[in-house]
Amino acid sequence: GAGVSQSPRYKVAKRGQDVALRCDPISGHVSLFWYQQALGQGPEFLTYFQNEAQLDKSGLPSDRFFAERPEGSVSTLKIQRTQQEDSAVYLCASSLAFEQYFGPGTRLTVT
Amino acid sequence: QQQVKQSPQSLIVQKGGISIINCAYENTAFDYFPWYQQFPGKGPALLIAIRPDVSEKKEGRFTISFNKSAKQFSLHIMDSQPGDSATYFCAASRNTGNQFYFGTGTSLTVIP
Repeated sequence: GAGVSQSPRYKVAKRGQDVALRCDPISGHVSLFWYQQALGQGPEFLTYFQNEAQLDKSGLPSDRFFAERPEGSVSTLKIQRTQQEDSAVYLCASSLAFEQYFGPGTRLTVT
Repeated sequence: QQQVKQSPQSLIVQKGGISIINCAYENTAFDYFPWYQQFPGKGPALLIAIRPDVSEKKEGRFTISFNKSAKQFSLHIMDSQPGDSATYFCAASRNTGNQFYFGTGTSLTVIP
C-alpha cells in the first residue's frame, strides 16, 4: 500500500518567509509525528497527534512553529518568519501501534 | 541530554563480514527499541525492532541483541553487502504513541 508522503520534497525560503509543509500519513494510522533532522544527526521529535488532537508539542523549538491535523488525517507543519537555523529535513511519521513509518521528508533551506 | 547513545559514528566492513552497531540508554521506562536504515535523500526505514522481554531477535541477516541489565542493545548485520551501505539509527520509546529518541547514527560502508 501507499506509504507516508510529504510535500514539497524541497523548499527554499528567504529568511523571514513563512512555509507550510504537508504530510499525508498511511491511511488509517491514528498517530502522526513530526521530527526535525539536522545534517548528520538523528531525527529529533517536534510534535505528536492522535487523530486530530495534538497531544505533545514539547519538541517545537519556538512559537514560530505550529502544526495542525484538523480532520485526523493530513497534517501541516507551519514555520513562521523562518530563520537560518530552521534549515533541516522535516520528517513525518505515522503509526498504528509501536512502529513508526517515515515519509521521505521535506528538505528546508533558509537563505 | 542524549537519551540514546550510539557508536561507532562510522564503520567500514568488507563484503561478507559482520557489521556491529551499539546503543545504550538510561531511561528504564523505555520498552521498544527499533533500528532504522536511512539512505541519502530518503526517510528512515524500519529495519527490525525488539521489546525488552526477549534478549535477541533475528530477521534474515539482521539481529538485535538486547541486554536489559546493562541497558544496551546492538544491531548485527551478517554477511554484509555493498547494498547495506547506509546510515543506521537506533531508537527507543516508552509505550505506544510516544516519541522516539534516536541515536546520532552510524554511517556504514561495505566495501566489495
